[in-house]
Amino acid sequence: DIVMTQSPDSLAVSLGERATITCKSSQSVLSSSNNMNQLAWFQQKPGQPPKLFFHWASTRESGVPDRFSGSGSGTDFTLTISNLQAEDVAVYYCQQYYSAPLTFGGGTKVEIK
Amino acid sequence: EVQLVESGGGLVQPGGSLRLSCATSGFIFTGNWMSWVRQAPGKGLEWVAIVNQDGSDKKYLDSVKGRFTISRDNAKKSLFLQMDSLRAEDTAVYYCARGAGYILDYWGQGILVTVSP
Repeated sequence: DIVMTQSPDSLAVSLGERATITCKSSQSVLSSSNNMNQLAWFQQKPGQPPKLFFHWASTRESGVPDRFSGSGSGTDFTLTISNLQAEDVAVYYCQQYYSAPLTFGGGTKVEIK
Repeated sequence: EVQLVESGGGLVQPGGSLRLSCATSGFIFTGNWMSWVRQAPGKGLEWVAIVNQDGSDKKYLDSVKGRFTISRDNAKKSLFLQMDSLRAEDTAVYYCARGAGYILDYWGQGILVTVSP
């Protein structure tokens, strides 16, 4: 099974500042068939289901603000929130879909400092 | 608009059974993989099972293999999860999710399953 490790577990960032979340996979999630990383990012707010924010590591879903960006390849990935807004307070999860069992990182809670 | 609505959750004793359902609308059901993901109270996300478009390919989390069965009824645009031999550690909110392949792009609101004496 591919183990996904996120850090930090939580972080507090001032409004307007940058938040950076890292995600490491225990093996590469780069697909040889299409040279794309099979890595997704989700945002989950309290009492709500997760919402897909990125797939292929850096492809932003429709409606996701462009202050969010995803990057990385192979085993190391980053979710960056530039210019943090109050509505960005949530838990963020990375997830690999390279192979079953699909696995999630433990989550990173983003709060306002 | 894509909609996924779970039902069938509730309180069950250890060793008991429950069948979750997920009614879908707003997309071509036969065009998508479908999955179940769970979240224990206060914990992170854990993928449970996935099924392909015609139900011929199913994959499971190791800890539920032999106890849970994922299935779908394409005529009714519905997804199911039969859960047998339930354990306390199966207590969670269970989400139905649409798959674009293995990309889980739309999720239901979730349904709570509580396994307790």
